[in-house]
Amino acid sequence: GESVGLHLPTLSVQEGDNSIINCAYSNSASDYFIWYKQESGKGPQFIIDIRSNMDKRQGQRVTVLLNKTVKHLSLQIAATQPGDSAVYFCAESNDMRFGAGTRLTVKP
Amino acid sequence: DARVTQTPRDKVTEMGQEVTMRCQPILGHNTVFWYRQTMMQGLELLAYFRNRAPLDDSGMPKDRFSAEMPDATLATLKIQPSEPRDSAVYFCASGRGGLDEQYFGPGTRLTVT
Repeated sequence: GESVGLHLPTLSVQEGDNSIINCAYSNSASDYFIWYKQESGKGPQFIIDIRSNMDKRQGQRVTVLLNKTVKHLSLQIAATQPGDSAVYFCAESNDMRFGAGTRLTVKP
Repeated sequence: DARVTQTPRDKVTEMGQEVTMRCQPILGHNTVFWYRQTMMQGLELLAYFRNRAPLDDSGMPKDRFSAEMPDATLATLKIQPSEPRDSAVYFCASGRGGLDEQYFGPGTRLTVT
């Protein structure tokens, strides 16, 4: 069946560097995507979303890019900080299912 | 600051016992989700309600799991009988319906021995 999946299960970056977390989706009819951040011992929290009529959306230090041609989503975190260490999930609202998640570790 | 609440936060029980987990969605939200998270399987959608009606429970083992919404302020997930493989963190989330983000509760950590 169709599913949401992540390319990289783990990512380690130096504090201050930019991070890029990738996500592939398979449902071409998906029209809304969300990135969540899950810190240890907590539930996932909303970071940023994007609708399919956009290819880029910016928040505070985060940017989501959507490439519908190749069904790919990415989350960019600028000037990564230790507090950004977490597991990041992408989700498509039509399906309400989550991918495997990517663990981001920020080294001081 | 509205948030989803879940009780209990931790539950340790013996195999064969009944377990009931409760969730209070954010007031005004009309969708409620139950997820299970394990290291091996990640976040799995178990059940999904809209306006208290179950819309999708295909991810839930039907023989032992049941999910209900007795009223708009309470969602329950019951396991009877529990098994060690049910050990996981169970999250409840609520939303406003349609294309919208989900607000997650803190989770119930279940350990079945």
